[in-house]
Amino acid sequence: DVKVTQSSRYLVKRTGEKVFLECVQDMDHENMFWYRQDPGLGLRLIYFSYDVKMKEKGDIPEGYSVSREKKERFSLILESASTNQTSMYLCASRPTGYYGYTFGSGTRLTVV
Amino acid sequence: AQSVSQHNHHVILSEAASLELGCNYSYGGTVNLFWYVQYPGQHLQLLLKYFSGDPLVKGIKGFEAEFIKSKFSFNLRKPSVQWSDTAEYFCAVNSNSGYALNFGKGTSLLVTP
Repeated sequence: DVKVTQSSRYLVKRTGEKVFLECVQDMDHENMFWYRQDPGLGLRLIYFSYDVKMKEKGDIPEGYSVSREKKERFSLILESASTNQTSMYLCASRPTGYYGYTFGSGTRLTVV
Repeated sequence: AQSVSQHNHHVILSEAASLELGCNYSYGGTVNLFWYVQYPGQHLQLLLKYFSGDPLVKGIKGFEAEFIKSKFSFNLRKPSVQWSDTAEYFCAVNSNSGYALNFGKGTSLLVTP
């Protein structure tokens, strides 16, 4: 069964900490995405990557960065966590030429 | 700006009632359309998709959606809902010029026994 795995289901971090959210896919997909999901706001795109070492900003990149050193792994970095980054973070991937995603289970991050 | 609108944020239905959730988008040109479902505590799953061809598409669990190009709409329907359909439903759109899916804000459906 194909999978997108997010390393943590729940995380609690302190304001100002540097936070790493990891996502790994085993489907050899070229494209990977990070969204945050908030009640009433739906899913908003933070960053995406279409190849190793390539990244593009989404709609809300401020306060975030990403890293894609290997095809299967896409990391989201909160440089200095703030309380307004408390959210559910979803990773997704898709192959080139097909626009449907496979999603991970999500990481619920609380910044205190 | 390109956008995806879901008209109903919260819907409450009794079992066996019919369901229709609205979705409109503002993209021009060729689009790929999706409905995703998120059951409580679970990850997002694909319900159905439209790329081309017959504008009436059928998905899992008895759901269907109709693409009406002239109305820029892709409404989700189910003739008779069950308690197990309680979930959040997201419409998503991708234009062929874009990499990423744009999602609506979601509709929370509660089906009561």
